[in-house]
Amino acid sequence: NAGVTQTPKFRILKIGQSMTLQCTQDMNHNYMYWYRQDPGMGLKLIYYSVGAGITDKGEVPNGYNVSRSTTEDFPLRLELAAPSQTSVYFCASRLQDGQPQHFGDGTRLSIL
Amino acid sequence: QKEVEQNSGPLSVPEGAIASLNCTYSDRGSQSFFWYRQYSGKSPELIMFIYSNGDKEDGRFTAQLNKASQYVSLLIRDSQPSDSATYLCAVRGYGQNFVFGPGTRLSVLP
Repeated sequence: NAGVTQTPKFRILKIGQSMTLQCTQDMNHNYMYWYRQDPGMGLKLIYYSVGAGITDKGEVPNGYNVSRSTTEDFPLRLELAAPSQTSVYFCASRLQDGQPQHFGDGTRLSIL
Repeated sequence: QKEVEQNSGPLSVPEGAIASLNCTYSDRGSQSFFWYRQYSGKSPELIMFIYSNGDKEDGRFTAQLNKASQYVSLLIRDSQPSDSATYLCAVRGYGQNFVFGPGTRLSVLP
C-alpha cells in the first residue's frame, strides 16, 4: 500500500509561474486535505474535500485552487506564484469522520 | 480565529524520564484531538487521538483531555532519544476545520 503520494518532492518556481502539486491516495479515503507548513509553524489548512466533486476552503485558500474529479486524486493548483507561497505542502486523507488523517511526504516549494 | 497553543520549547528531558507536552485550544466546540510527531524534514505521523474527557493510554504514550479547561496533554513515559522530535497538537472543530498548534520541540538527552 502506497498510502498518500505527493509529487513532486521539490520544486523551484519563478514569481508569476503556475504549477500543480499532485496528491493521490490508494486507500479509498473519502476525505482529503491540503496544508501548508511554514518554518517553525503548525500546519494551515488550504482546502479540503469530503468526496469526489466536493471541495471547500480552509483557513488560507487565497492564491490556490483545487479539484476532486476522482476519489483518489486531489491536485492543488497555484496560478500566479508569489514569494509568500514558499512553504512545505502536505496532502492528507482519512476514511471517514472519527478517523485520523494520514499524511503524504510533502512537497517543498520555493518561489524566487 | 480558532487557536491552538503549545509551548514551542525546546523541552529537554533525560533518557528514561517522563516528558509532558501541553496544548490549549480556544474553540469550546472542538470535538476531537490529535497528537502528531514530526521529525525534521519529515511529514507528521499520528501518535494518538482522543475524543472523551479523561486519559487514553497506548504503550508509552498517554493522552489526557479536559474539555472544561480546554486542555489536552501528551505524556511520554521512559523517554528515548528516538522520541526527540516536534510534537504537534491538532484540534478538530466544526466540520473539517482542523487547527494545528505550532508544535513543541522535544529533546531527549542520552
